[in-house]
Amino acid sequence: GENVEQHPSTLSVQEGDSAVIKCTYSDSASNYFPWYKQELGKRPQLIIDIRSNVGEKKDQRIAVTLNKTAKHFSLHITETQPEDSAVYFCAASSNYQLIWGAGTKLIIKP
Amino acid sequence: GAVVSQHPSRVICKSGTSVKIECRSLDFQATTMFWYRQFPKQSLMLMATSNEGSKATYEQGVEKDKFLINHASLTLSTLTVTSAHPEDSSFYICSAPTGLWDQPQHFGDGTRLSIL
Repeated sequence: GENVEQHPSTLSVQEGDSAVIKCTYSDSASNYFPWYKQELGKRPQLIIDIRSNVGEKKDQRIAVTLNKTAKHFSLHITETQPEDSAVYFCAASSNYQLIWGAGTKLIIKP
Repeated sequence: GAVVSQHPSRVICKSGTSVKIECRSLDFQATTMFWYRQFPKQSLMLMATSNEGSKATYEQGVEKDKFLINHASLTLSTLTVTSAHPEDSSFYICSAPTGLWDQPQHFGDGTRLSIL
């Protein structure tokens, strides 16, 4: 069945440095790729998304890149801040239903 | 913007109790609602998809007689965990699409279920 792999499972970076989280998907029909940030005990919150007709999208310190040929997409966070500490999930969708990655725990070291 | 209201936020009850969780779309019509379960330090696992006016579609391995889903109106979907046991303790969360497939879904705040 459809699968989304996400790496790394834990990422620790120094405050101010960049963080990169990578995902690969198996369903070539996937055409919508959201990224969510989830804090402990809270619901996932959409931070950025990208559609299959776009290769890159940026929103201030956050960017997402998509390589449809290789079936992978990445989240880039620049100038990391303590409030960026959370669990991040990638997802892929072809028809409303989201297939989720396993999550990445991002730790920002002061 | 679109809001999904989920209640209750937390439930603590004894083993054998049935628990109902409600998700309401407040300013849009949710013809579809996704129900997820999330164990600690894990990803969201889709349990079932509810569709207004028809039977829910359950994912493989999810017992439909234990997790009863009702989606009787365009603004309300409910998940009932029947005869809950400690292994059912988890974070349950719903989400609803508000438009086309490539538009963000809207999540409820989640329900922390603890079975003693």
